[in-house]
Amino acid sequence: GAGVSQSPSNKVTEKGKDVELRCDPISGHTALYWYRQSLGQGLEFLIYFQGNSAPDKSGLPSDRFSAERTGGSVSTLTIQRTQQEDSAVYLCASSLVTAELFFGEGSRLTVL
Amino acid sequence: KNQVEQSPQSLIILEGKNCTLQCNYTVSPFSNLRWYKQDTGRGPVSLTIMTFSENTKSNGRYTATLDADTKQSSLHITASQLSDSASYICVVSYGNNRLAFGKGNQVVVIP
Repeated sequence: GAGVSQSPSNKVTEKGKDVELRCDPISGHTALYWYRQSLGQGLEFLIYFQGNSAPDKSGLPSDRFSAERTGGSVSTLTIQRTQQEDSAVYLCASSLVTAELFFGEGSRLTVL
Repeated sequence: KNQVEQSPQSLIILEGKNCTLQCNYTVSPFSNLRWYKQDTGRGPVSLTIMTFSENTKSNGRYTATLDADTKQSSLHITASQLSDSASYICVVSYGNNRLAFGKGNQVVVIP
């Protein structure tokens, strides 16, 4: 596609359930980022993939969060045993190295 | 302390008026500075990107400035329109492809 695609756009889940969020970056972009944006807050870095290098996981808030990027393209962010404080918009962005970031529209997660 | 500070946190301006948003950063070594516009419920969209040697860059009615010595940037919106109502996010790229985000300036343009 022409832009970064994220799915689902909205997800409502019960506390304790696992969720998976998907990001399909722009074709050819080697860098992929996941961010979290809580209501009224700035963007919080979660994880960064660059080519075949080991991902930078320094932003993941707990071991309930994990992400993978298969074949250097599509990425999945998994949150296990969701908590209410996980409710936020999860944004994915891709870029060529050191170039402009292109963001998806985000996945809004609500944990009841 | 946040590595990228933006001010004011929010402001309301009349349609047609100008406004200036500020971004101060502390991270180093500096690579580039970007301003993004984020409409409510949407992903951020790039407005400008400036490297160390660039002092000013325009994108339509948006003009960004950069003073890499004082580590300050501004985004000036000229002749504001209702569609300018959004959050404006300052992002500084530094070190080994690391990014530091400000919390954004929330702008509301009223008729």
